[in-house]
Amino acid sequence: QQQVKQSPQSLIVQKGGISIINCAYENTAFDYFPWYQQFPGKGPALLIAIRPDVSEKKEGRFTISFNKSAKQFSLHIMDSQPGDSATYFCAASSTGTYKYIFGTGTRLKVLA
Amino acid sequence: NAGVTQTPKFQVLKTGQSMTLQCAQDMNHNSMYWYRQDPGMGLRLIYYSASEGTTDKGEVPNGYNVSRLNKREFSLRLESAAPSQTSVYFCATSISMGSQPQHFGDGTRLSIL
Repeated sequence: QQQVKQSPQSLIVQKGGISIINCAYENTAFDYFPWYQQFPGKGPALLIAIRPDVSEKKEGRFTISFNKSAKQFSLHIMDSQPGDSATYFCAASSTGTYKYIFGTGTRLKVLA
Repeated sequence: NAGVTQTPKFQVLKTGQSMTLQCAQDMNHNSMYWYRQDPGMGLRLIYYSASEGTTDKGEVPNGYNVSRLNKREFSLRLESAAPSQTSVYFCATSISMGSQPQHFGDGTRLSIL
């Protein structure tokens, strides 16, 4: 019930295309769903996050879509660029606990 | 403005040796965390400190100890290193526990022979 399942494990997209990464969770107590971006040799950095009171959040080329009934959320990267090539992690947490459950990561490669 | 600083960046140890990984933050955050990152397994929480003066076990605490030295510093100690502890270790901070953004250091890459 504490897992966050992330797919796909790896993704190759042409420059200018749309990258889509999906995550699914079981614990309905989760109330915060962030996405982190990690470049080689660096720590994860917060990219965008959503709370379950909205179904979509957009920041520039990055959009989170959230489906509360299906217990799924996804990251969409529009107009993907080679500089977006990185590993992306979804996560989920709930207020009042220390738990921050990470997905297993998606390695994205955007071809020039 | 360094954010979260981890030292050392790389370390090679022999089985049975001990060492301490250091983490310092200048973000004035209350909560600090230690994770390990292994291929295909995401990030797993080793220990956390909700606030200065408190520490608690996370998901994978065996073989590790921590010290919250003050609000800024949170160290992770391996008393007797084992090859299974070969990993990349990340320190993170957040303003408080739970549903808040976490800010990560750039990690310590640890190999145990």
